[in-house]
Amino acid sequence: GNSVTQMEGPVTLSEEAFLTINCTYTATGYPSLFWYVQYPGEGLQLLLKATKADDKGSNKGFEATYRKETTSFHLEKGSVQVSDSAVYFCALRGSGNTGKLIFGQGTTLQVKP
Amino acid sequence: EAGVVQSPRYKIIEKKQPVAFWCNPISGHNTLYWYLQNLGQGPELLIRYENEEAVDDSQLPKDRFSAERLKGVDSTLKIQPAELGDSAVYLCASSLNSQETQYFGPGTRLLVL
Repeated sequence: GNSVTQMEGPVTLSEEAFLTINCTYTATGYPSLFWYVQYPGEGLQLLLKATKADDKGSNKGFEATYRKETTSFHLEKGSVQVSDSAVYFCALRGSGNTGKLIFGQGTTLQVKP
Repeated sequence: EAGVVQSPRYKIIEKKQPVAFWCNPISGHNTLYWYLQNLGQGPELLIRYENEEAVDDSQLPKDRFSAERLKGVDSTLKIQPAELGDSAVYLCASSLNSQETQYFGPGTRLLVL
């Protein structure tokens, strides 16, 4: 079945450091890929998405590229801020018409001033 | 535009008691989802509605869980009786249809004692 694997956290960085959170997936067909972010005390928010191979999703300085050859969708940001501290979830939606999102276990990011 | 509304935000009950959660999706969104999020894990789909029809409830433990979406708008999720292992966050999400972006509510955090 479909699945998503994320790097384990927590990830602790200093402000302005470079961020990478790894995400790999297993799926049949051509899934859509997502990154959601969950700030403390809030619900999940869509950060970015990519719906086909080689697409790059971007938002708020974050980027991720859909790599079908490596089945990966790693999240990157060139310079993190304290306000980026949150839990980040990688997710996929299968190529069927189910709408079901399958999430990774989440990676906690803590950015220190 | 108002987001997905859930209530209550927090609920503490004793085991074997019933509990219900309520969700009001974004106006005009036909698809509604209930997800379960255990501590330190990503959300897992419990049930998906297309309008008032439950089209995917394969992950809903039907011996104690039930859900309804009367009139295809608001939805309730019920547990009766609750067990200690039901302690988790219950998330509601909605989307225009099953292929569009899912927007999440803040969740209901349930603690069963």
